[in-house]
Amino acid sequence: DTGVSQNPRHKITKRGQNVTFRCDPISEHNRLYWYRQTLGQGPEFLTYFQNEAQLEKSRLLSDRFSAERPKGSFSTLEIQRTEQGDSAMYLCASSLQGLPPEAFFGQGTRLTVV
Amino acid sequence: QKEVEQNSGPLSVPEGAIASLNCTYSDRGSQSFFWYRQYSGKSPELIMFIYSNGDKEDGRFTAQLNKASQYVSLLIRDSQPSDSATYLCAVPTYSSASKIIFGSGTRLSIRP
Repeated sequence: DTGVSQNPRHKITKRGQNVTFRCDPISEHNRLYWYRQTLGQGPEFLTYFQNEAQLEKSRLLSDRFSAERPKGSFSTLEIQRTEQGDSAMYLCASSLQGLPPEAFFGQGTRLTVV
Repeated sequence: QKEVEQNSGPLSVPEGAIASLNCTYSDRGSQSFFWYRQYSGKSPELIMFIYSNGDKEDGRFTAQLNKASQYVSLLIRDSQPSDSATYLCAVPTYSSASKIIFGSGTRLSIRP
């Protein structure tokens, strides 16, 4: 499978715990994006990387959220001290550099905070 | 004003008819525009993009762009029950071409 891969697909955690999600982009894609989606809403931009550089981070993203892409390949999104409001689908997408940025999504990680 | 706006629907269209989905955007400098389809419980799937004023056709889908009016639409001809999904309009911002902003989506239902 050469598409965007996300793990785990589902995560249930207790409030206050830390969680980490992984995204493996399409191999030749150097741009990687993280989005969050709640029921009935469109994907909400969180952050994006070009190679290993994090070029933009949403103002909506609290300091409990951090993302890395250490070698410009896979990326991780960590949420510290999870809250019930963090329950959502976390989506990763990747694209080639250049315009237009055709972004392709992984299957997402569904987080439930109990 | 939201950066990308869509009517949330639901939009109900009889099978075989034309479904028309609309989107407006606020960043006048945006250069390209995308339509994604999202089935319930699944991730968004890219179906079309357009960057020139006018129409772009791909099979049963036609994207229409009017930059002066900051308006982009998606027409689906000969609608099928399998077209029932949420359609998301996505617009990369001019100031940061890779920050792609999504609308809230329009839920489309094709009735047999």
